[in-house]
Amino acid sequence: AQSVTQPDIHITVSEGASLELRCNYSYGATPYLFWYVQSPGQGLQLLLKYFSGDTLVQGIKGFEAEFKRSQSSFNLRKPSVHWSDAAEYFCAVGANNAGNMLTFGGGTRLMVKP
Amino acid sequence: DTEVTQTPKHLVMGMTNKKSLKCEQHMGHRAMYWYKQKAKKPPELMFVYSYEKLSINESVPSRFSPECPNSSLLNLHLHALQPEDSALYLCASNQGGYGYTFGSGTRLTVV
Repeated sequence: AQSVTQPDIHITVSEGASLELRCNYSYGATPYLFWYVQSPGQGLQLLLKYFSGDTLVQGIKGFEAEFKRSQSSFNLRKPSVHWSDAAEYFCAVGANNAGNMLTFGGGTRLMVKP
Repeated sequence: DTEVTQTPKHLVMGMTNKKSLKCEQHMGHRAMYWYKQKAKKPPELMFVYSYEKLSINESVPSRFSPECPNSSLLNLHLHALQPEDSALYLCASNQGGYGYTFGSGTRLTVV
């Protein structure tokens, strides 16, 4: 069975500081990995995805993530956080074939201090 | 069109009401999903339609009834809901190689 763990429930960083959100996955085949962001009361917006190839993937809003197969990790990073980045972040894993399910981690709530 | 559109955005219904949530996409995706999300929790899968056939039903109570009239539309029919069913209901679509696209959700309150 596939599963995703986000070890940090809450993270607080100062505006302008760097950010790393952790994600560990368990998947029986080649994983397709995603990071989504959700603002309060809103839907999920895709930040970036990894299917294959270069293990460092670039996303929107200045985010990037690195796939490390040996560590079963897909951590999200941003070099300089903006106040507007405060939100809930979800890591997810799933086969990317039509009809396959997507499994989410528990989420990390990011708070940004001025 | 690269969006998944959900209507209504907000819905308040009594426990004896019948209502429907609607979801539409015009990206040609052949899989569509319903997820339920409670506050401060990740989305939980309810149903998956693949090529307009129900392929996954995550043991959802029968008071939730999905329907996929065609490849662009997905409905969720609601009947005799309980207050604990209040949540954000998210629709998503997927086609191999392009990832999953989510709608902005319907905020449902059962009174």
